Amino acid sequence: NAGVTQTPKFQVLKTGQSMTLQCAQDMNHEYMSWYRQDPGMGLRLIHYSVGAGITDQGEVPNGYNVSRSTTEDFPLRLLSAAPSQTSVYFCASSSRDREAFFGQGTRLTVV
Amino acid sequence: KQEVTQIPAALSVPEGENLVLNCSFTDSAIYNLQWFRQDPGKGLTSLLLIQSSQREQTSGRLNASLDKSSGRSTLYIAASQPGDSATYLCAVTKSYDKVIFGPGTSLSVIP
Repeated sequence: NAGVTQTPKFQVLKTGQSMTLQCAQDMNHEYMSWYRQDPGMGLRLIHYSVGAGITDQGEVPNGYNVSRSTTEDFPLRLLSAAPSQTSVYFCASSSRDREAFFGQGTRLTVV
Repeated sequence: KQEVTQIPAALSVPEGENLVLNCSFTDSAIYNLQWFRQDPGKGLTSLLLIQSSQREQTSGRLNASLDKSSGRSTLYIAASQPGDSATYLCAVTKSYDKVIFGPGTSLSVIP
């Protein structure tokens, strides 16, 4: 069972570069979301989606874009990377009223 | 603003001991509460989900309770084992875009 798959697992970017973090789930979940986890800050919601074609902002959306063209995929785009975006990023999916499943995370370093 | 705290921040116990982890939240108007486990360098694994209408949930050696009126949840782990060593996070959902995580309790079970 694949569950929630995130790629890449590790990434180093230079300031100003752009990149896309990939997230895919094979459980036909309608809800998908992106979090970042930082020491002392815990997990914070970046963007979320309640279904294909529908996205909305979470707590810390600035500097990130998302799209949801299919139920399975929910990529997170960094438009112009900044050192403040150095973090561990997690993608999660769930069905309404059900437990959330998380990916293994992407460790991003911006230098 | 919803705030979630967890006590203690860290806990070390000998194998076989029963233990309780605490989660407190400031806004009792929640949709559900979920307990997660996170191993170092890994993603989050859902342990138990309690809907706002429920008082407790059980899974194996784990039991989670919810008291919305007092803004508290506890995670009870019976007969702890070294494999239980991890960070335990609680997350409160008010609506889909309002998922607030606690800072976590780091548990170490000594053989």
